[in-house]
Amino acid sequence: QVKLLQSGAALVKPGASVKMSCKASGYTFTDYWVSWVKQSHGKSLEWIGEIYPNSGATNFNEKFKGKATLTVDKSTSTAYMELSRLTSEDSAIYYCGRTTVAVDYWGQGVMVTVSS
Amino acid sequence: DVQMTQSPYNLAASPGESVSINCKASKSISKYLAWYQQKPGKANKLLIYDGSTLQSGIPSRFSGSGSGTDFTLTIRSLEPEDFGLYYCQQHNEYPFTFGSGTKLEIK
Repeated sequence: QVKLLQSGAALVKPGASVKMSCKASGYTFTDYWVSWVKQSHGKSLEWIGEIYPNSGATNFNEKFKGKATLTVDKSTSTAYMELSRLTSEDSAIYYCGRTTVAVDYWGQGVMVTVSS
Repeated sequence: DVQMTQSPYNLAASPGESVSINCKASKSISKYLAWYQQKPGKANKLLIYDGSTLQSGIPSRFSGSGSGTDFTLTIRSLEPEDFGLYYCQQHNEYPFTFGSGTKLEIK
């Protein structure tokens, strides 16, 4: 069955970077886009961007350009998102998801806390 | 960006009842709307995409309708496990955007 297993929670200092992973299984990793979505505490969902593992092509929400970097490792069927120059506004849960026309399978989410 | 306005914010209903959640786009998104369910401790679940197409494995008591700017998610004969948060998302143009969510509580 399709699974997306995300890395564990992270506590990071302001100004630092964090890189999180999303390991896919149960399907051909290179055939589907992987989306990333942010959910700030008690708030709605924000689409960050997506990456196509086969080619590395990406699409981004302009708001997250320069903030988020999306990469993949096809050999391990893992997608990564790195967030840079972290501030308190980046404290949130981050989800990855397999994407067809919509996100049909979601990871469990990674809680990122930015605090000194 | 396409703004998605979702209503109501909160909803309470009893098992067996039917409920509807609305989503309005700030511009036409054709049929390209998805609905998701979010519950604590569980992965988010895709319910409906393309406005009215039921995702595989989703019970038929869930249905979606609408096109253009106005969409509705209807849940017939509510089950206790249907409580949770529901979000709409337009998947017509980048950046994909979500509604603010509807919290469905079971009476």
